[in-house]
Amino acid sequence: KQEVTQIPAALSVPEGENLVLNCSFTDSAIYNLQWFRQDPGKGLTSLLLIQSSQREQTSGRLNASLDKSSGRSTLYIAASQPGDSATYLCAGATGANNLFFGTGTRLTVIP
Amino acid sequence: KAGVTQTPRYLIKTRGQQVTLSCSPISGHRSVSWYQQTPGQGLQFLFEYFSETQRNKGNFPGRFSGRQFSNSRSEMNVSTLELGDSALYLCASSLGPAEAFFGQGTRLTVV
Repeated sequence: KQEVTQIPAALSVPEGENLVLNCSFTDSAIYNLQWFRQDPGKGLTSLLLIQSSQREQTSGRLNASLDKSSGRSTLYIAASQPGDSATYLCAGATGANNLFFGTGTRLTVIP
Repeated sequence: KAGVTQTPRYLIKTRGQQVTLSCSPISGHRSVSWYQQTPGQGLQFLFEYFSETQRNKGNFPGRFSGRQFSNSRSEMNVSTLELGDSALYLCASSLGPAEAFFGQGTRLTVV
């Protein structure tokens, strides 16, 4: 069974700082790795999807990398803003549309 | 393009009752997955439907069931509700084994 771990569980940074969120998974046979953002009480917003054949994906200030051999993915956020405050979740898909989620990193960006 | 729509957004039910939640996927998406999110267990996969057939099922009791209609809309049913079923129920749609898009969720409270 795929297990996904996210470190740290919570992170507080001043506005403008660059930061890295970590995600590790136990089963390297993932089909893809997806990063989501969740605001309190809301659904999940897809941020980036990395296919198993890819090493990284970028969207604006966000960059996600995937290293299947070591079972790790990172989400890099550049020049953080207060609007980035949310919980960030990574999820691995094992072929079918069955996502295994990490427990998330709660990010607070202080103005 | 309309996103994933879940109804209702909020529900309060009494122990022992049953409940039906609805999910309308993005137009053209034939895969619909359901997840349960609780503070203690995080996000857990319930089941996935594709072309009206259940393809995958998570580790939940038989009280949790679902179905998918020919227009890809899906419903999830929980019978004999327990207090522990209180959670945010999220639905995701995808176009094959690719990026998953989530709805805003249905917040179920069992009293």
